[in-house]
Amino acid sequence: QVQLQESGPGLVKPSQTLSLTCTVSGGSISSGGYYWSWIRQHPGKGLEWIGYIYYTGSTFYNPSLKSRLTISVDTSKNQFSLRLSSVTAADTAVYYCARDVETATLGSFGYWGQGTLVTVSS
Amino acid sequence: QSALTQPPSVSGSPGQSVTISCTGTSSDVGSYNRVSWYQQPPGTAPKLMIYEVNNRPSGVPDRFSGSKSGNTASLTISGLQAEDEADYYCSSYTSSSTYVVFGGGTKLTVL
Repeated sequence: QVQLQESGPGLVKPSQTLSLTCTVSGGSISSGGYYWSWIRQHPGKGLEWIGYIYYTGSTFYNPSLKSRLTISVDTSKNQFSLRLSSVTAADTAVYYCARDVETATLGSFGYWGQGTLVTVSS
Repeated sequence: QSALTQPPSVSGSPGQSVTISCTGTSSDVGSYNRVSWYQQPPGTAPKLMIYEVNNRPSGVPDRFSGSKSGNTASLTISGLQAEDEADYYCSSYTSSSTYVVFGGGTKLTVL
């Protein structure tokens, strides 16, 4: 059973960079066939897809965040990471990492981390 | 404003059936059988209940079913139980530049 776990600072100052890591267990990122995504949820609001990465390093970002966003993968550690620069209070949210439920099931997120709340505040 | 439109709330009594709608466009729901539904009780991560319109992941009760007609997808929960009370979100693959779009969520109350 694949499990995902987010980690990173819970508090980030405005204008700084938000960095989170998702550690995957029970399956290998480098086995291929799956897209590894970041999704966020603003307090009391709905879900917003941030971007995904494939084990090869190929990425696809939400255009609304693209200019500030970097998603990377470290297959040796079975982790993928999110970096969001120049954050503002509008980036305060619960951040989830997720994986497709099966291969070739585009955007069907069957595995989720527990989520981590990141607050942007001075 | 979310890309997919869901009713803010629905309710039903135990044992009844409820249906939650999710309306998109010809760029997403109408063109792809990539509609998913998620259940999210308060304070927890979303859980996939339906994918590719009407497929249930392992472990999801068959009380949950999905369908689609044109630009609107639907989630039906039959034999409503108290434990079904949660927020429900739909999503769809989209041909736009955002890959996946979500609905704004529907709060299900079991009376």
